[in-house]
Amino acid sequence: EAGVAQSPRYKIIEKRQSVAFWCNPISGHATLYWYQQILGQGPKLLIQFQNNGVVDDSQLPKDRFSAERLKGVDSTLKIQPAKLEDSAVYLCASSLAGVEQYFGPGTRLTVT
Amino acid sequence: QKEVEQNSGPLSVPEGAIASLNCTYSDRVSQSFFWYRQYSGKSPELIMSIYSNGDKEDGRFTAQLNKASQYVSLLIRDSQPSDSATYLCAVKASGGSYIPTFGRGTSLIVHP
Repeated sequence: EAGVAQSPRYKIIEKRQSVAFWCNPISGHATLYWYQQILGQGPKLLIQFQNNGVVDDSQLPKDRFSAERLKGVDSTLKIQPAKLEDSAVYLCASSLAGVEQYFGPGTRLTVT
Repeated sequence: QKEVEQNSGPLSVPEGAIASLNCTYSDRVSQSFFWYRQYSGKSPELIMSIYSNGDKEDGRFTAQLNKASQYVSLLIRDSQPSDSATYLCAVKASGGSYIPTFGRGTSLIVHP
């Protein structure tokens, strides 16, 4: 069974630029999560989707971050404009029943 | 504010010893508890889940849950250098609308 796919794996941008990350969950997994993990910290949930609906986005900085999950499968997370403090690893995870999560390899973002 | 607390470590144990990792949580409605292992530069990998009070064993790993004390632990028997990683505790209340909360992780070092 293929795991969670993410791209790109690494991205370097300048502040105020925009960036987008893509995630393809495990086939059949209805729940999809985007996390931000800053070095030395645990993952922080940004947004949770159930199929193509948003379950929770209370920790998503909506002035600069947006996410969508069209057709209930793939998802994209966008940052516009990026700030220095957005430098982190962005993790996508999926879950069959909204309980146990399986993570993709992550995208390491560096904002200079 | 839901919190999950872990000692950041590092916890250093000799090869062959038992490593004990602890986690406390603040939200009493929490129902699902998870341990993830994260190697440096990699994404979290689910190693144990526990939902009921008591112990759950899987190979060299044992998860222990005490909901009255709001405490969950992970024991690793016969620790190996390959177990050296950061161990993340995650907690989730029941129902799809409750978001998972991660601790910051405990760094474990198993020395030969």
